[in-house]
Amino acid sequence: RKEVEQDPGPFNVPEGATVAFNCTYSNSASQSFFWYRQDCRKEPKLLMSVYSSGNEDGRFTAQLNRASQYISLLIRDSKLSDSATYLCVVKESWGYQKVTFGTGTKLQVIP
Amino acid sequence: NAGVTQTPKFQVLKTGQSMTLQCAQDMNHNSMYWYRQDPGMGLRLIYYSASEGTTDKGEVPNGYNVSRLNKREFSLRLESAAPSQTSVYFCASSLSSGGVFGELFFGEGSRLTVL
Repeated sequence: RKEVEQDPGPFNVPEGATVAFNCTYSNSASQSFFWYRQDCRKEPKLLMSVYSSGNEDGRFTAQLNRASQYISLLIRDSKLSDSATYLCVVKESWGYQKVTFGTGTKLQVIP
Repeated sequence: NAGVTQTPKFQVLKTGQSMTLQCAQDMNHNSMYWYRQDPGMGLRLIYYSASEGTTDKGEVPNGYNVSRLNKREFSLRLESAAPSQTSVYFCASSLSSGGVFGELFFGEGSRLTVL
């Protein structure tokens, strides 16, 4: 089983739609969780951290479910500019170099 | 506002040739990393440097060496390139210290093809 698993997609959604991605992780001792965004042929950039209580940044909402070992990202009112690959990132509890990236979920927002 | 700068952006090598990927950051970050990204594999850590003067192996270090030249610069060397090293390489830095993990800032990537 992969340490961090994501549905590769692509998710093709119309503008204005709401879309949700899930990411599962295998290590129950994982400490920190993040969503990164990667545009085609570009570098990854931090989208948002994921906190135990859930957090929201504008149209984006991230949630953590420790019992089921998954994190989610919800995007409301999708824009064309949201088209990208979304990477789930999990940090283990020991040391700060052990960061595992998921393979990413591709989102294509259609006009 | 450079952030993390990698060179070269593109390189084609023949099997057995050597090369060095250069990385520099101007954010005064403590930690620097080299990742490779392959289709269907996600980003994988090759080597990292928690602070100036230290380097450690990551998940896939075989075939690579690194040098943390100073706080700003972290280079990755392929001594004898193999086709399996064809990949996109990303350098990253973070303000991590004392075990607290900080946001990773990535360079634009270096696309390497080994024939």
